[in-house]
Amino acid sequence: DVKVTQSSRYLVKRTGEKVFLECVQDMDHENMFWYRQDPGLGLRLIYFSYDVKMKEKGDIPEGYSVSREKKERFSLILESASTNQTSMYLCASSGMTANTEAFFGQGTRLTVV
Amino acid sequence: KNQVEQSPQSLIILEGKNCTLQCNYTVSPFSNLRWYKQDTGRGPVSLTIMTFSENTKSNGRYTATLDADTKQSSLHITASQLSDSASYICVVTRLLGSGTYKYIFGTGTRLKVLA
Repeated sequence: DVKVTQSSRYLVKRTGEKVFLECVQDMDHENMFWYRQDPGLGLRLIYFSYDVKMKEKGDIPEGYSVSREKKERFSLILESASTNQTSMYLCASSGMTANTEAFFGQGTRLTVV
Repeated sequence: KNQVEQSPQSLIILEGKNCTLQCNYTVSPFSNLRWYKQDTGRGPVSLTIMTFSENTKSNGRYTATLDADTKQSSLHITASQLSDSASYICVVTRLLGSGTYKYIFGTGTRLKVLA
């Protein structure tokens, strides 16, 4: 019954490494989102995509990029990981209209050392 | 400014007791309000979603209310269980142009249920 799947639960990377976080949804949703979650700050939007090959910057896009080559897959890329990118990363997907259900992945806990 | 504020930040109750979590928002234009449950180290899971015209919605022991005039919502948990220990996040959907939308998240209420 899994709907949104993130490729890793836990990741440990070194400063300066290029990091790929993958997200796949099986609901044929148009919209996909990447958030990071830090204690006391709630979920903050990094990037979102409303269609294949389309992307929009969220509130905190610096240091990140995304790729959406297929409708079901949305990738988050950390070009050069830094320690301040240590966080929980959450992927979500939802349908075209605002009242549709949104589903989240199980999260990826990324630690940059 | 489009914000969602939740209270209390944290709450401890005994198993079997009821509790109510609060959410106030200043998001406009408003589309809907959602409550999510997030277990530690996991992704959020939807509990309820309410549009402007709905003022109450239940999901088992969870009942959410919405007062769109005062821009307040509450989540009431009845007969709490140990498994209710989690963070509860209030999310308001804000309408943007061109049919797109954005989720505005509160920082959550961390609930601990003790045996």
